Amino acid sequence: NAGVTQTPKFQVLKTGQSMTLQCAQDMNHEYMSWYRQDPGMGLRLIHYSVGAGITDQGEVPNGYNVSRSTTEDFPLRLLSAAPSQTSVYFCASSSIDLDTYGYTFGSGTRLTVV
Amino acid sequence: GQNIDQPTEMTATEGAIVQINCTYQTSGFNGLFWYQQHAGEAPTFLSYNVLDGLEEKGRFSSFLSRSKGYSYLLLKELQMKDSASYLCAVPTMEYGNKLVFGAGTILRVKS
Repeated sequence: NAGVTQTPKFQVLKTGQSMTLQCAQDMNHEYMSWYRQDPGMGLRLIHYSVGAGITDQGEVPNGYNVSRSTTEDFPLRLLSAAPSQTSVYFCASSSIDLDTYGYTFGSGTRLTVV
Repeated sequence: GQNIDQPTEMTATEGAIVQINCTYQTSGFNGLFWYQQHAGEAPTFLSYNVLDGLEEKGRFSSFLSRSKGYSYLLLKELQMKDSASYLCAVPTMEYGNKLVFGAGTILRVKS
């Protein structure tokens, strides 16, 4: 199994551009989340989903949109990129039985906005 | 709301024992997780505690005291490969029981 797959691994955007970070999991997990990680601030929750068709906002949702049309996919859209969105983005998935294995993380997308 | 505190950095010697502390405040406790993250990589699951006490997994152990809002990760027989960031996280009702993370503790193991 591939687990959680994120694409692209690296991306450079100009201010104002839009883009979509892709995330796909093949473990039939109900829960999926997007985090950003900045130096000294740990992982911060952007958006999350508890199942297909259901999404909700996390700690830092502004400037990002998500959708969950299938169980497998949970793309993150940057509407108009800003330098403050320069970060490493991680997608994570988990089953309802969170206690057993916690989250499975993708390998991350390193985004630079210039 | 929730608040999770960990030391920023720690240094220890190869072969030694190190304890990484985590204090938390959260509404509605539903367990505490520890993750390991090597530089440039994704976090990987280490442990989960929901009851008070010590859980041992090989060289790594994790302790929880719910009444004190306190946990620690104990690493024994340190190896150079244990140099990484260690993240404490709690599920938070505010965000549908999703994990909220502390800033992480960077552990440097020296020979």
